[in-house]
Amino acid sequence: EVQLVESGGGLVQPGGSLRLSCAASGFTFSSHWMNWVRQAPGKGLECVARINEDGGEKYYVDSVKGRFTISRDNAKNSLYLQMNSLRAEDTAVYYCIQYSRGWWGQGTLVTVSS
Amino acid sequence: DVVMTQSPLSLPVTLGQPASISCRSSQSLVYSDGNTNLNWFQQRPGQSPRRLIYKVSNRDSGVPDRFSGSGSGTDFTLKISRVEAEDVGVYFCMQASHWPWTFGQGTKVEIK
Repeated sequence: EVQLVESGGGLVQPGGSLRLSCAASGFTFSSHWMNWVRQAPGKGLECVARINEDGGEKYYVDSVKGRFTISRDNAKNSLYLQMNSLRAEDTAVYYCIQYSRGWWGQGTLVTVSS
Repeated sequence: DVVMTQSPLSLPVTLGQPASISCRSSQSLVYSDGNTNLNWFQQRPGQSPRRLIYKVSNRDSGVPDRFSGSGSGTDFTLKISRVEAEDVGVYFCMQASHWPWTFGQGTKVEIK
């Protein structure tokens, strides 16, 4: 059974940092592009970053460029999102997804507030 | 960025009746490889989104055949042939042909 389990969310002050993790199992993690998608409370969805199989290609939405870094550790079957200089508008549930197979995690909530 | 526009945003339906959601993109979703990367997702209350349809018209595993997708270029439709109670939720279209991938605003389906 495929599982994507996010962790690392929580309450952080504006300007602070958080590192999200996604533990993958049930499939060959190192063979798939991976993504982070977020959903602000009561709002729509936004794909914030994606990374290729070996971590050599990374793409970001403009709103997080220079502040967020996506990475992966294929030996640990894990995906990461380092979030720096957090803003109130980054408040959202963050999902780890594998797009081509349509697999989504349950999400982890990040709240940026003083 | 490609803007995805869904209509209607709210869709009250009678059980057993059909329902249809439209999604239009601000530019063609035909990718360089010839595929059209248009997807439909269902999000039930309190749950993660679940993909129903990929590449316009392909149903994901386990998705009931009352769900169907159609369209081409910039104009796409999700149809539910006979709405059931478990279909209540928000439906999103999403394009993955142009980065950044973008989603429609969502259509809330509820039972009349």
